Amino acid sequence: AQSVTQPDIHITVSEGASLELRCNYSYGATPYLFWYVQSPGQGLQLLLKYFSGDTLVQGIKGFEAEFKRSQSSFNLRKPSVHWSDAAEYFCALRRSGGSYIPTFGRGTSLIVHP
Amino acid sequence: EADIYQTPRYLVIGTGKKITLECSQTMGHDKMYWYQQDPGMELHLIHYSYGVNSTEKGDLSSESTVSRIRTEHFPLTLESARPSHTSQYLCASSAPDRLNTEAFFGQGTRLTVV
Repeated sequence: AQSVTQPDIHITVSEGASLELRCNYSYGATPYLFWYVQSPGQGLQLLLKYFSGDTLVQGIKGFEAEFKRSQSSFNLRKPSVHWSDAAEYFCALRRSGGSYIPTFGRGTSLIVHP
Repeated sequence: EADIYQTPRYLVIGTGKKITLECSQTMGHDKMYWYQQDPGMELHLIHYSYGVNSTEKGDLSSESTVSRIRTEHFPLTLESARPSHTSQYLCASSAPDRLNTEAFFGQGTRLTVV
């Protein structure tokens, strides 16, 4: 069975500082991986996705993520955080074979201090 | 921008009432999903559908039911609402597996049962 772990429930950063949100997965083969962002009271918006190829993936809003097979990780990064980045971030996995049922991590809440 | 819509956005209803949460998508996606999300918590899959007349229960047991009579429509029904049903409900859809795309989410319905 596949699973996604986001070890950090909350992350607090200062505006302008760099950010890294951790995501680890468990799956027997190479999965398809996603990062979503959720603002309060809203649905989920896709930030970026990895299916194959270049392991460094660029997304919207200046985010990027790196797939590391050896570490079963797909960490999300941003070089300089803006106050508007404060939100809930979810890492998700889809099996590369078989039917697509998204599996989500429990989310990481990002708090941005001025 | 994703074309998946949920109504109502917010609903406050008394215990024992029957309610239906609406979800519609205009992308022609075959797969649709319902997730339940408590505040600040992870997403739990409660129902999914592979297509018309196909519905399955998800990982989290739910007293709700769903139907899929039309491709674009995936309503969720609670026959008798209880305070324990208070939560946010997120609807999502995705294209056929071979297209390797992500799930698209609606804005969510925040349900409060009093």
